[in-house]
Amino acid sequence: SQQGEEDPQALSIQEGENATMNCSYKTSINNLQWYRQNSGRGLVHLILIRSNEREKHSGRLRVTLDTSKKSSSLLITASRAADTASYFCATRGNTPLVFGKGTRLSVIA
Amino acid sequence: NAGVTQNPKFQVLKTGQSMTLQCAQDMNHNSMYWYRQDPGMGLRLIYYSASEGTTDKGEVPNGYNVSRLNKREFSLRLESAAPSQTSVYFCASSARGGHFDTDTQYFGPGTRLTVL
Repeated sequence: SQQGEEDPQALSIQEGENATMNCSYKTSINNLQWYRQNSGRGLVHLILIRSNEREKHSGRLRVTLDTSKKSSSLLITASRAADTASYFCATRGNTPLVFGKGTRLSVIA
Repeated sequence: NAGVTQNPKFQVLKTGQSMTLQCAQDMNHNSMYWYRQDPGMGLRLIYYSASEGTTDKGEVPNGYNVSRLNKREFSLRLESAAPSQTSVYFCASSARGGHFDTDTQYFGPGTRLTVL
């Protein structure tokens, strides 16, 4: 399976701090995506990075991808209470998206 | 646009009962998906439909059947519900689908199913 595994499983930070979540996967991919899930809601796409890209930015989000280590990281800068959610990486190769188990982020005001 | 809608939002079944979860999208997307989400397990793909008229098994298809009724609608049926099927079910859609694609998925709000 090429399922991504997020690390840590849970993260608690103060508002204004940066949050970093990591994702590791097992097989070659075409792209890697990050999604956010607020409690009790469906997932929302955040950002996609292709296998030939190393870094991508979107607002306060920064994603890196290291295909040699089969890993990715999601950085949320200057976190806000509204960033409290679960974050999932999802990998895409020759199958539909495969999701990891997620990181639960709590941002304390 | 409503995006992806799911019905019902909540359902309680007894073991052995059957039911159909409904999903519809109004974005003219080709591909649709059904996932289940269990605590600590992330999302696992049950079935997907890459295009109208096709369906394929995902990671955990046992105990489920699907119907791609038309381009908009993709239903998930539990013929004989079991307690192990207690979960939150999400439907999603993507524009083009297919392999090696940079599609992103749009999710519905979920159906919370309890099987007693």
